[in-house]
Amino acid sequence: EVQLVESGGGLVKPGGSLRLSCVASGFNFRTHHMNWVRQAPGKGLEWVSSINSRSTYIYDADSVKGRFTISRDDAKNSLYLHMKSLRAEDTAVYYCARQALATGNFDLWGQGTLVIVSS
Amino acid sequence: SYVLTQPPSVSVAPGQTARITCGGNNLGDKSVHWYQQKPGQAPVLVVYDDRDRPSGIPERFSGSNSGTTATLTISRVEAGDEADYYCQVWDSSSDHYVFGTGTKVTVL
Repeated sequence: EVQLVESGGGLVKPGGSLRLSCVASGFNFRTHHMNWVRQAPGKGLEWVSSINSRSTYIYDADSVKGRFTISRDDAKNSLYLHMKSLRAEDTAVYYCARQALATGNFDLWGQGTLVIVSS
Repeated sequence: SYVLTQPPSVSVAPGQTARITCGGNNLGDKSVHWYQQKPGQAPVLVVYDDRDRPSGIPERFSGSNSGTTATLTISRVEAGDEADYYCQVWDSSSDHYVFGTGTKVTVL
């Protein structure tokens, strides 16, 4: 089955760190650019970070630049988001999203993992 | 930074047509993608590259993009179309993806 499964979310204190994981299956992971998108409770979608298929290009939203790091391990079909210096406003469901080949749309999404930043 | 503006809500009767707009500077020069998100679920791509549909998406969903406005049109609206809809583009000037503010479609 073609799918993305996120994990690693949870409750963390302000200033803390967390690593999210996304495991891909059913498709050739190494050929796709990958992304993280988040959604705060009751709010809209916010793009967080992107990494290309060869890990040579990484783009980050201004709101997370310098605090979040996207990475991938093609041997493990896995995408990661390392988050540090977490703030209350980082509380959200974090989605892993596959970028379609040769285009900029996100054609496959995981079910999301919830991160709560609170003392 | 680039901004995409959508109406907060659109209401439509079953069987009628819903039109959801997405406004942005020179938006017609970009490729616009549209996502449907139902409560508690992940987003689903419904239109990409302005007007193309992924496999499995009904022909009732169509898109257009010109000037400063892109439009997602849902024809013959059904109760199951009730959801939040988001437009999205790649802004090459900032190397950022941008999502629209989102539109809640209510089927009366």
